[in-house]
Amino acid sequence: AQSVTQPDIHITVSEGASLELRCNYSYGATPYLFWYVQSPGQGLQLLLKYFSGDTLVQGIKGFEAEFKRSQSSFNLRKPSVHWSDAAEYFCAVGESNDYKLSFGAGTTVTVRA
Amino acid sequence: EAGVVQSPRYKIIEKKQPVAFWCNPISGHNTLYWYRQNLGQGPELLIRYENEEAVDDSQLPKDRFSAERLKGVDSTLKIQPAELGDSAVYLCASSLTSGSGYEQYFGPGTRLTVT
Repeated sequence: AQSVTQPDIHITVSEGASLELRCNYSYGATPYLFWYVQSPGQGLQLLLKYFSGDTLVQGIKGFEAEFKRSQSSFNLRKPSVHWSDAAEYFCAVGESNDYKLSFGAGTTVTVRA
Repeated sequence: EAGVVQSPRYKIIEKKQPVAFWCNPISGHNTLYWYRQNLGQGPELLIRYENEEAVDDSQLPKDRFSAERLKGVDSTLKIQPAELGDSAVYLCASSLTSGSGYEQYFGPGTRLTVT
């Protein structure tokens, strides 16, 4: 069964600084990978997804993620964070022939002025 | 386009009481999901519907949880009786159809507190 590990529970970053959130997955075949963001009191919103092809994926709100098969990783990055990026971020993995998503425990991002 | 609607947004009940959550998916979405999100964790799937049929309820605690999706649109998730450990956020999501290729759109959730 697939699983997802987000090693960082909480990250604090200064506004304007770069951000990188780590995600490692466990899955035998090529996974479908997702990053979701959850703002306080809101549902999850899809930032980006990877199915195949170019391993560098661009998403909404200026985020990007890179799939590295050799490291079983799908890290999320943003060059310059805004105060509105403060939220909880979830990495998820799915299978090509299955609808089920397995989510990581999430990383909370705090942005300081 | 309206998103996934859930109500109530917050619910506080005493243990052993019943509670129900309602979800209205995005129009035209055939697949509906109920997730439970415990504090500090990611969402975990409880049940998935394809139209009005529950095609995967393997993670639903059937002794106290029940769900229905009449007419393949709105859905209700019920807990009876509630236990302290049921305190969590219950998320509803919908997608055009099943399969990881189809984005799941999430509602804001219902935060349940059982005292």
